[in-house]
Amino acid sequence: DIQLTQSPSFLSASVGDRVTITCRASQGISGYLAWYQQKPGEAPKLLIYAASTLQSGVPSRFSGSGSGTEFTLTVSSLQPEDYATYYCQQLNNYPLTFGPGTKVDIK
Amino acid sequence: EVQLVESGGGLVQPGRSLRLSCAGSGFVFDDYALHWVRQAPGKGLEWVSGIGWGGASTGYADSVKGRFTISRDNARNSLYLQMNSLRPEDTALYYCAKGMSGSYSGDGFDFWGQGTKVTVS
Repeated sequence: DIQLTQSPSFLSASVGDRVTITCRASQGISGYLAWYQQKPGEAPKLLIYAASTLQSGVPSRFSGSGSGTEFTLTVSSLQPEDYATYYCQQLNNYPLTFGPGTKVDIK
Repeated sequence: EVQLVESGGGLVQPGRSLRLSCAGSGFVFDDYALHWVRQAPGKGLEWVSGIGWGGASTGYADSVKGRFTISRDNARNSLYLQMNSLRPEDTALYYCAKGMSGSYSGDGFDFWGQGTKVTVS
């Protein structure tokens, strides 16, 4: 099975900061990676798919990059509504897996 | 508007069974793969199972393989998860999620339901 790790697991940032989260896969997954945002009490929301494609309706301050085993999610200028937990997910093959999550908190 | 509505959760004793359902609307149901994802209280997301558009292709997490069975009825726009031999560690909020293509792989899950709670105790 493909394992995903995320770093950091927690980060504290201020409004306007540039934030980067890294997701690493235990083996190559080509570009089959998605990123989600989840706020407390809500279902996850798809932000990025195919490693770098912005989902419709998602603000352009979110971007994704990477391929193979290393991927990043970047928020160019953190907004108050971006405080949440972020998960990566590999969709290369079954069983699909999620990363453990990165919680972004207010500094 | 795409909607996914889960039902069937509840309190169940260890070793017993439960069947979850997910009703989809607002999209061409049999064009897309569907999945179950769960989240234990205070924990992260765990993919549980997925099924391709026609129902022939299925996959399971190692933690549920042999105990859970995913199925779909495209005529009824419904997805199911039959859960047998339930364990306390299966306690979670179970989400139904829509894939972005007919097969399990590739893109992400673009729509999610609000979840149904399963408690095994």
